[in-house]
Amino acid sequence: DTAVSQTPKYLVTQMGNDKSIKCEQNLGHDTMYWYKQDSKKFLKIMFSYNNKELIINETVPNRFSPKSPDKAHLNLHINSLELGDSAVYFCASSPSGVAGLSLSEQFFGPGTRLTVL
Amino acid sequence: KNQVEQSPQSLIILEGKNCTLQCNYTVSPFSNLRWYKQDTGRGPVSLTIMTFSENTKSNGRYTATLDADTKQSSLHITASQLSDSASYICVVSPYSGSARQLTFGSGTQLTVLP
Repeated sequence: DTAVSQTPKYLVTQMGNDKSIKCEQNLGHDTMYWYKQDSKKFLKIMFSYNNKELIINETVPNRFSPKSPDKAHLNLHINSLELGDSAVYFCASSPSGVAGLSLSEQFFGPGTRLTVL
Repeated sequence: KNQVEQSPQSLIILEGKNCTLQCNYTVSPFSNLRWYKQDTGRGPVSLTIMTFSENTKSNGRYTATLDADTKQSSLHITASQLSDSASYICVVSPYSGSARQLTFGSGTQLTVLP
């Protein structure tokens, strides 16, 4: 199936641990994103990569580090997890770069629900 | 204060009925407005994308309207089905089109009952 996929779907871990979330898209898109959806359901962009290059890096703690080994993959590594990191994290992709984002559609993955205990 | 406000926060209707969801925004200058549908436990899926010059756009039983003067948009759902139960999110893009500045509303949770 053509889609944006994320693993794992659920992640429960202790405070202080390091964890990674993986994302892959087989849509041939150039741009990938990480979003955080908090308990109030607001989606906020964290990072965006265009052809493996970081183009958006919002004000997130530097414990969060994205890595894009190729343009089909964008992984998110989180160090020293904190209670406030509990949220649903969505990966997304779009067919054109930031400059063309105005009308380009974003395709979202199913989300990873992270719970920090 | 969020620049995209949606109302109502939640809505319950009976199957077959119509409903209208509202989105007010203050983002300016404005480029385009999108409506997404997010099923429980899933990622958002795009329903419509409208530029500032468009007044209405349809996608099956979903019709979005836009009034750029009053900075209001609505999503009208006709002949609702059980599968319409989801959160509907309004997203506004500023003129620059930068993904950094996409502003998401918190959504309207729609429940369609049999």
